[in-house]
Amino acid sequence: QQQVRQSPQSLTVWEGETAILNCSYEDSTFNYFPWYQQFPGEGPALLISISSVSDKKEDGRFTIFFNKREKKLSLHITDSQPGDSATYFCAARGGSALGRLHFGAGTQLIVIP
Amino acid sequence: EAGVTQSPRYAVLQEGQAVSFWCDPISGHDTLYWYQQPRDQGPQLLVYFRDEAVIDNSQLPSDRFSAVRPKGTNSTLKIQSAKQGDTATYLCASSFSGIQNTLYFGAGTRLSVL
Repeated sequence: QQQVRQSPQSLTVWEGETAILNCSYEDSTFNYFPWYQQFPGEGPALLISISSVSDKKEDGRFTIFFNKREKKLSLHITDSQPGDSATYFCAARGGSALGRLHFGAGTQLIVIP
Repeated sequence: EAGVTQSPRYAVLQEGQAVSFWCDPISGHDTLYWYQQPRDQGPQLLVYFRDEAVIDNSQLPSDRFSAVRPKGTNSTLKIQSAKQGDTATYLCASSFSGIQNTLYFGAGTRLSVL
């Protein structure tokens, strides 16, 4: 069973627009939600993360909105830049600090200049 | 500070051949992960270690895959008899143990099984 789901699979926006990437999860014990960014030929790298005690986390142009009741979160990228073109993975972990990190299938973002 | 180093970067095999992947984690990180990432999919955990101990290998196909981290530093992932379905990128990641530990990934080894 897929523990973390992402939508859309692919998203194209114009430079300067806001891109919205969606994520949902199954396990209510999940309490930590990082987003990873991956460029072709590279490994994923942490972009921004949120814990379940918060409903919003902001870092520059990147903001996570978290709805614990609905088990949903979203990543908003404002003023999108061509350099933001990458695949974005939502991930989730819960319980033990050594618990496994579950990744979604990713959203491929393309930003057109 | 050096990141996570993996080798080789690429491997091409015929079905039935064996292959080993090597990972050098960030110095001081006690937790090491091996993920499999099929094309256009998210990383899927195969196995992870804290120091030299296996914490979770429930997703490792144990009949053909094995992983070791003998001294709690470097690690090797081995596929004994590769199948076409093993075609994927194999990612190594390391972290400190902790409530919100960040995983740092290597660039991966891209495996093609013909």
